Amino acid sequence: EAQVTQNPRYLITVTGKKLTVTCSQNMNHEYMSWYRQDPGLGLRQIYYSMNVEVTDKGDVPEGYKVSRKEKRNFPLILESPSPNQTSLYFCASSIIIGAREQYFGPGTRLTVT
Amino acid sequence: DQQVKQNSPSLSVQEGRISILNCDYTNSMFDYFLWYKKYPAEGPTFLISISSIKDKNEDGRFTVFLNKSAKHLSLHIVPSQPGDSAVYFCATRGFNAGGTSYGKLTFGQGTILTVHP
Repeated sequence: EAQVTQNPRYLITVTGKKLTVTCSQNMNHEYMSWYRQDPGLGLRQIYYSMNVEVTDKGDVPEGYKVSRKEKRNFPLILESPSPNQTSLYFCASSIIIGAREQYFGPGTRLTVT
Repeated sequence: DQQVKQNSPSLSVQEGRISILNCDYTNSMFDYFLWYKKYPAEGPTFLISISSIKDKNEDGRFTVFLNKSAKHLSLHIVPSQPGDSAVYFCATRGFNAGGTSYGKLTFGQGTILTVHP
């Protein structure tokens, strides 16, 4: 089944404790992206990757890192999480950048206390 | 500065009636406009799109209208069904000054649609 998976689905952590949210897609897509969803702000892009070893900042990259060592995986790293990073996070992929249909993962609910 | 705005946080409609979801955008550097649908505990899924050179696109019960002069996009669902209850995001796909698409999707805030039986 074609899908984007994210882990964990729910995470509660404390300020400053490094964490990684994993994202994996099985569709051989070139383009992958991370978004965060916040009330009243919709979906905002954090980082994106056009292919292996090619990543770039989205609209709200501060406090986040990403890597793309393999085509299928695109982990999101929070080196020192803060409460303002409490949010719902989505990973997405598409066959190429600009494809109208992006495939989203189920989301990761992160709470930083 | 939000380039794509959905000014109605929520909409409630009776089953069988029309649902109209609205979206406004603030510049013209977009070549496609899209709607995504999101159920609770799931990621958004692509619903329908329209090219900037068209003013209407229809797919079954879903029709998207584009009014470029007003910089306004709307999604009509007719007839509405309880299973349509979800959050709807409009999105734009941007292109650069050279006219080639760079493909960034920019999403609005979302509108919660509730269809009552």
